[in-house]
Amino acid sequence: GAVVSQHPSWVICKSGTSVKIECRSLDFQATTMFWYRQFPKQSLMLMATSNEGSKATYEQGVEKDKFLINHASLTLSTLTVTSAHPEDSSFYICSASVTRYHNEQFFGPGTRLTVL
Amino acid sequence: AQKVTQAQTEISVVEKEDVTLDCVYETRDTTYYLFWYKQPPSGELVFLIRRNSFDEQNEISGRYSWNFQKSTSSFNFTITASQVVDSAVYFCALSEARMDSSYKLIFGSGTRLLVRP
Repeated sequence: GAVVSQHPSWVICKSGTSVKIECRSLDFQATTMFWYRQFPKQSLMLMATSNEGSKATYEQGVEKDKFLINHASLTLSTLTVTSAHPEDSSFYICSASVTRYHNEQFFGPGTRLTVL
Repeated sequence: AQKVTQAQTEISVVEKEDVTLDCVYETRDTTYYLFWYKQPPSGELVFLIRRNSFDEQNEISGRYSWNFQKSTSSFNFTITASQVVDSAVYFCALSEARMDSSYKLIFGSGTRLLVRP
């Protein structure tokens, strides 16, 4: 149980385009979903936290107009990178948590974004 | 502020050696959780262990063991008889309670372990 999927697993796009990444909890309903970014050989940095039906909470330094998060249901959250630029190239990882699991986070496999 | 320090950036060992990965944390919370994750080259995070701050018992799972010392704010991870498949980046993480009752994970910078045949 507690499986989280991400789609796509990798994406290459041209500078200036927008890219949407989906995060789904497959066998449970997630109270909260988290989005992380990981640059090569670096740690995971939390970008934002989202609860179903409410606005996402962004970490300091993360542009909310650039990284749009929609948490439409208890099993789906999407991250849209708008007007992507090469510096947005990174590994994006989502996680989902549920209260009954003591808020433990279950991680998706990640999405590798390359912006040309 | 909450912080996790993994001072070892990279460790290289020969297969069958034991290796310990260090993790030191800082927190003002009285209740917190500590985690270890493995990140192989594929990138997917693999959960290894969660430890709650009230449970200081050491834990062993196969070749893996964890030593939680509240007095020194450390949560070290030892791999016994390392294998090539253990090569990965290992992250220690600390949960930080937030106002809305959710938890935020603070990750250390990671330790890259290379096990050579």
